[in-house]
Amino acid sequence: QKEVEQDPGPLSVPEGAIVSLNCTYSNSAFQYFMWYRQYSRKGPELLMYTYSSGNKEDGRFTAQVDKSSKYISLFIRDSQPSDSATYLCAMSARSGNTPLVFGKGTRLSVIA
Amino acid sequence: GAVVSQHPSRVICKSGTSVKIECRSLDFQATTMFWYRQFPKKSLMLMATSNEGSKATYEQGVEKDKFLINHASLTLSTLTVTSAHPEDSSFYICSAREGGRLNEQFFGPGTRLTVL
Repeated sequence: QKEVEQDPGPLSVPEGAIVSLNCTYSNSAFQYFMWYRQYSRKGPELLMYTYSSGNKEDGRFTAQVDKSSKYISLFIRDSQPSDSATYLCAMSARSGNTPLVFGKGTRLSVIA
Repeated sequence: GAVVSQHPSRVICKSGTSVKIECRSLDFQATTMFWYRQFPKKSLMLMATSNEGSKATYEQGVEKDKFLINHASLTLSTLTVTSAHPEDSSFYICSAREGGRLNEQFFGPGTRLTVL
């Protein structure tokens, strides 16, 4: 079993839809969780950062962490064509110099 | 804040030559920098972790003599692909972490290397 599982998609939704992106993980020690957005031929951009369980909201984006289920989600409300990108989840067990463990990324297309 | 730059953004070179890629943290001091490689439509593959002033830690399967990493200052790390071959063609991305920012990691825009 891979440490982090993420459905690669592609996921295609109409403009205005609510998008749900998810990752599952196997390492119960993970406690730092991030979501990155990557446009084609660009570096990943940090969208959301959460520590331990709970929800975090930032504009149209909501990140959820359920450590008991080892499941994290990113919700995008009122999706826009400009949200079309690959979304990567990432996580780590400790702060400091520990490398992040990334999911494979989900390709999202928002159709106008 | 938290801007990371890479140079060059794109490079084409002949087989056998060496290519240097620079990664700079523009508005913070990066105690740790990471180098990744990404193939088309694939996820990031961590190549190595470098801490300022010390030797880089390479991931299994990554040749340290082929991918030379130098992290000489808190704002600059370089990756040199030595004796490049066509199979080294890829998208190389660096990221940087500031010491006080827990696990937030900020990525550069990437460098596309094409070896002919």
